Amino acid sequence: ETGVTQSPTHLIKTRGQQVTLRCSSQSGHNTVSWYQQALGQGPQFIFQYYREEENGRGNFPPRFSGLQFPNYSSELNVNALELDDSALYLCASSPANTIGNTGELFFGEGSRLTVL
Amino acid sequence: TQLLEQSPQFLSIQEGENLTVYCNSSSVFSSLQWYRQEPGEGPVLLVTVVTGGEVKKLKRLTFQFGDARKDSSLHITAAQPGDTGLYLCAGAAGGSYIPTFGRGTSLIVHP
Repeated sequence: ETGVTQSPTHLIKTRGQQVTLRCSSQSGHNTVSWYQQALGQGPQFIFQYYREEENGRGNFPPRFSGLQFPNYSSELNVNALELDDSALYLCASSPANTIGNTGELFFGEGSRLTVL
Repeated sequence: TQLLEQSPQFLSIQEGENLTVYCNSSSVFSSLQWYRQEPGEGPVLLVTVVTGGEVKKLKRLTFQFGDARKDSSLHITAAQPGDTGLYLCAGAAGGSYIPTFGRGTSLIVHP
């Protein structure tokens, strides 16, 4: 069974630039969620994708956008980067959002973004 | 305002000590998860509790879900340096399937 993989693991950008982060979901999982984790904080929900459509969004501006592909992999795009976007970006996959789903998430190791 | 409040925020103890960390909310959760996160890694799922009053044990870790399904605790017996990490609770409330996380308890166990 293949776990969740994310790329790149680390990257450095400057203010105003754009970044794309990638995630491959765990085998058998068709739901992908993205979280932002600032230093010393818990993960904050950005959005979730289910069957290639956005299935929920947290309190993040429109410059945070995403995609899910037919193979359930996903991308997170952030435009016009700001210093406060520096964080660990976590991707998590889970089984389909059906009744009875207990909400368990399976995380990748994250992409550490530094904005200078 | 955090939906899930975790306490204490930081805990530094010696190997062999016992400890309890807490996760509290005013909301009712259909289920609640505990994760452990090590530096530079993603959170790893430890347990899911579903039924009010439920107690689950994972080796030296004991998890309890409150009777009203609004709170949970994690008790570690005879802590070891390998238990060091950030302990996060997460749950989905109000019919949502999307879990929100607490800020975590950062635990350091000294040899």
